[in-house]
Amino acid sequence: DGGITQSPKYLFRKEGQNVTLSCEQNLNHDAMYWYRQDPGQGLRLIYYSQIVNDFQKGDIAEGYSVSREKKESFPLTVTSAQKNPTAFYLCASTGQPSYGYTFGSGTRLTVV
Amino acid sequence: AQSVSQHNHHVILSEAASLELGCNYSYGGTVNLFWYVQYPGQHLQLLLKYFSGDPLVKGIKGFEAEFIKSKFSFNLRKPSVQWSDTAEYFCAVDDSSASKIIFGSGTRLSIRP
Repeated sequence: DGGITQSPKYLFRKEGQNVTLSCEQNLNHDAMYWYRQDPGQGLRLIYYSQIVNDFQKGDIAEGYSVSREKKESFPLTVTSAQKNPTAFYLCASTGQPSYGYTFGSGTRLTVV
Repeated sequence: AQSVSQHNHHVILSEAASLELGCNYSYGGTVNLFWYVQYPGQHLQLLLKYFSGDPLVKGIKGFEAEFIKSKFSFNLRKPSVQWSDTAEYFCAVDDSSASKIIFGSGTRLSIRP
C-alpha cells in the first residue's frame, strides 16, 4: 500500500537537544511538506521541498532544518533554537499541489 | 499572500442537525479549494476539493461545499450530522504561485448523541 510513514509516533526531548523526525513516502511524489499543528492555530508550514536536493522555508522555519537527499525521504530536525517545540508535526506529500496532499499520521513531540 | 479564515472555532450540534462551516480566502484569482477532516486519533483526510466547473462540490460521507467566487467563500455543509462526524475540519486553498497549500485554523465539531 502506498502512503506516508512518520516515526516515531511520540517523541520526548530534553531542553537543549536536537531531535529528528522521520518522514518516508512510497507514492513517488515529488513534493513533500512539514507542518506544525497547534490547538486553535491550524496547520502552519515549516519547510517544503518540490524536488530532491532543494527545499524552501515556510512560514515558521526558525529553529528547524530539513534535508531532501532522496525522493522518498524528508526528515525534519527540531533544533535547540526552537523556543516552543512541543507540538504535533505532520508530514505531507503530493504529486501536484492542486490535487491536494496525502498526510502521514503525525509525530507528537514533547519537551520535558 | 493568500490566507484562509475559518470563523467558527468550535461548533456544537445535536445529531440530525444541519451543518454549515464557514471558510473565506483572500486571493481573487484562480484557486483550488479543499476541505480536510481529522477524526480523533487519525490523520488528516481529504473530504472534497474544487478545481473548476460546478461550484457545488460533493464529497465523502454526505458532505458538500459551495464555491461562491464573488464572496471568496467555500462553505462546508451537511444536511444531517451524525455523532461520527465529530472531528476537526480544515479549509485550505492552493497557493499556486508558491506550490503550497494554505490551511485555515480549523473548526472543531462536536456532536451530541
